Amino acid sequence: DTEVTQTPKHLVMGMTNKKSLKCEQHMGHRAMYWYKQKAKKPPELMFVYSYEKLSINESVPSRFSPECPNSSLLNLHLHALQPEDSALYLCASSPPDRIFQPQHFGDGTRLSIL
Amino acid sequence: LAKTTQPISMDSYEGQEVNITCSHNNIATNDYITWYQQFPSQGPRFIIQGYKTKVTNEVASLFIPADRKSSTLSLPRVSLSDTAVYYCLVGTYKYIFGTGTRLKVLA
Repeated sequence: DTEVTQTPKHLVMGMTNKKSLKCEQHMGHRAMYWYKQKAKKPPELMFVYSYEKLSINESVPSRFSPECPNSSLLNLHLHALQPEDSALYLCASSPPDRIFQPQHFGDGTRLSIL
Repeated sequence: LAKTTQPISMDSYEGQEVNITCSHNNIATNDYITWYQQFPSQGPRFIIQGYKTKVTNEVASLFIPADRKSSTLSLPRVSLSDTAVYYCLVGTYKYIFGTGTRLKVLA
C-alpha cells in the first residue's frame, strides 16, 4: 500500500473524451508532481506544484491540464488526447521545506487512448 | 541538471551482493543523490539518499567518493523479490530520471 492514492487505476478513453485523474495524499506534503511513464522507459516529469501553485510545467501539451484544489489533492484533466498519450501516469508528493526531499509515489493510473 | 549514467541491465544470483554504479560527472555542490526501486506497474519506491561518504539503512548502502562524480548502490544478499529497475537521481528540487538499471535476480 502506498501513502499516495491515485484513481482510477485504469482508464480507457476515446480521443474526443474528457476525463480526469485524481491523486490524494494525507502526509502534509506541500509539493506534488505528475509524471508520465511509457513502457520500459523512465518516468518523465510533467508538472510540479508547490504550496498549491504551479511551479514547473515541462512544456506539456495543453490537452493535459493540472489542478491543485487543496494541499492534499492533485488532478490531471485530460481532453482530446492522442494515442501516443497512452502511458502510466504517476503522481508523487514531498515536503518542500527541505532541499531535495525524497518523493512518495502512487502506483499510477494506466491510461489507454483508443 | 546533472545527467546520470547507469548500466542498462545486470543479472545476479540469490544471496549475492549487488553493486550498481551511477556516474554523474556534472553534479552540483547542492545536489543530493537518491536511489529508487520500481517494480512493474508500480510507482518508484525510495531506497536511499546521500550527499557524501557512506549511508546505510536497513535495505541498502550508498557509497559516494570524495569527488561525488559517481555513486554505488549496494544491495546485500539479494533475493528474487529484488528483481526490479533501479534509478539513480541527482538534484536538489527537480527530478529527472535516467534510464535506470534492470536488475534480474536468478535462483
